[in-house]
Amino acid sequence: KAGVTQTPRYLIKTRGQQVTLSCSPISGHRSVSWYQQTPGQGLQFLFEYFSETQRNKGNFPGRFSGRQFSNSRSEMNVSTLELGDSALYLCASSQEIRNTEAFFGQGTRLTVV
Amino acid sequence: AQSVTQLDSHVSVSEGTPVLLRCNYSSSYSPSLFWYVQHPNKGLQLLLKYTSAATLVKGINGFEAEFKKSETSFHLTKPSAHMSDAAEYFCVVIKSSGTYKYIFGTGTRLKVLA
Repeated sequence: KAGVTQTPRYLIKTRGQQVTLSCSPISGHRSVSWYQQTPGQGLQFLFEYFSETQRNKGNFPGRFSGRQFSNSRSEMNVSTLELGDSALYLCASSQEIRNTEAFFGQGTRLTVV
Repeated sequence: AQSVTQLDSHVSVSEGTPVLLRCNYSSSYSPSLFWYVQHPNKGLQLLLKYTSAATLVKGINGFEAEFKKSETSFHLTKPSAHMSDAAEYFCVVIKSSGTYKYIFGTGTRLKVLA
């Protein structure tokens, strides 16, 4: 069974640009969550999608957005990039069953210059 | 509200000696707790999980954790550290109030000395 796949693995963007990251969850998983990881702030929850609906959102500005498709694949978009958006972005998928664990992808390393 | 506190940001042990990574939780009801490990530039890998079955939970790579309700703790242990255990470890609680949101601790970086 394939794991969670995130593409691309690495990205370098310039301030002011926008970026789209992709996440393919494990087959059969309908819940996808996104996290931002930085040395200063640790792991911070961005948002969660289930069956194409955003169910939960963290405390991030509106420049951060996401969506989920009918095949459960998810994308997140960051517009008007800032230097502080440089981070490892992790995607996690899980089944919609209470107490089940989340499976994480290897992440996308975004560097904003 | 659910939360977890990892008591040590860094832990150093010698190879072959025991590992103890400490985690305290706060939850208004019986929590679901996890330990994840992250090796450099990698995603997070599940080590073990507690979901109100046995209080002593065995995970992968020789790790185990004991859920102690009286102490609100879920410490991670391993009898003998290996060099490959050097990584960052995260204690996680699920916040389930309509959605299943993961609350991460701040992480403990484990260093294993030869």
